[in-house]
Amino acid sequence: NAGVMQNPRHLVRRRGQEARLRCSPMKGHSHVYWYRQLPEEGLKFMVYLQKENIIDESGMPKERFSAEFPKEGPSILRIQQVVRGDSAAYFCASSPPSSYNEQFFGPGTRLTVL
Amino acid sequence: DAKTTQPNSMESNEEEPVHLPCNHSTISGTDYIHWYRQLPSQGPEYVIHGLTSNVNNRMASLAIAEDRKSSTLILHRATLRDAAVYYCILRDSNSGYALNFGKGTSLLVTP
Repeated sequence: NAGVMQNPRHLVRRRGQEARLRCSPMKGHSHVYWYRQLPEEGLKFMVYLQKENIIDESGMPKERFSAEFPKEGPSILRIQQVVRGDSAAYFCASSPPSSYNEQFFGPGTRLTVL
Repeated sequence: DAKTTQPNSMESNEEEPVHLPCNHSTISGTDYIHWYRQLPSQGPEYVIHGLTSNVNNRMASLAIAEDRKSSTLILHRATLRDAAVYYCILRDSNSGYALNFGKGTSLLVTP
């Protein structure tokens, strides 16, 4: 059973460009969570999605950031017009329906904004 | 959110038990205590969770104080692969799916 997959693992963007981060949850998992980890910090919750629905985006910056989890395909975290402060590791996690006890994390995407 | 307090770092010798403490004096009755760990350059990994009673699994044991204001993660025999940052997290069972990680405890295991 493959774990949570994220790609790319490393992404370099120049200021003003767009960054697209992809996450494929574990098989059978319909809940996806995105977290951000700034250097020397713990992970901070950004958004919680189920298929075709955003359940909670309270941790996501109001501007430039968006997330989706379509009926088919991976979940996407999109950052428009990136700035240096967006440089961080972005982790995706998934869990099965009706269970929040254990979240399974992917290896992360490390975004560097030049 | 109720907060947790952990030591910044701890050190252990290989094959010895490790007790990682966590204080959570403002815990509410519906908060679960979760532990995750993060190895270098990897995503966090679930270790264990509990509510009131002590818990054991193949990775570790969780000892919860009677008043629930503190807990201890116990690794029975540390190995070099256990070197990681360990996070103690409170999750509200009523509304909580978000895990908010603090800075955790960085565990160093020496041969």
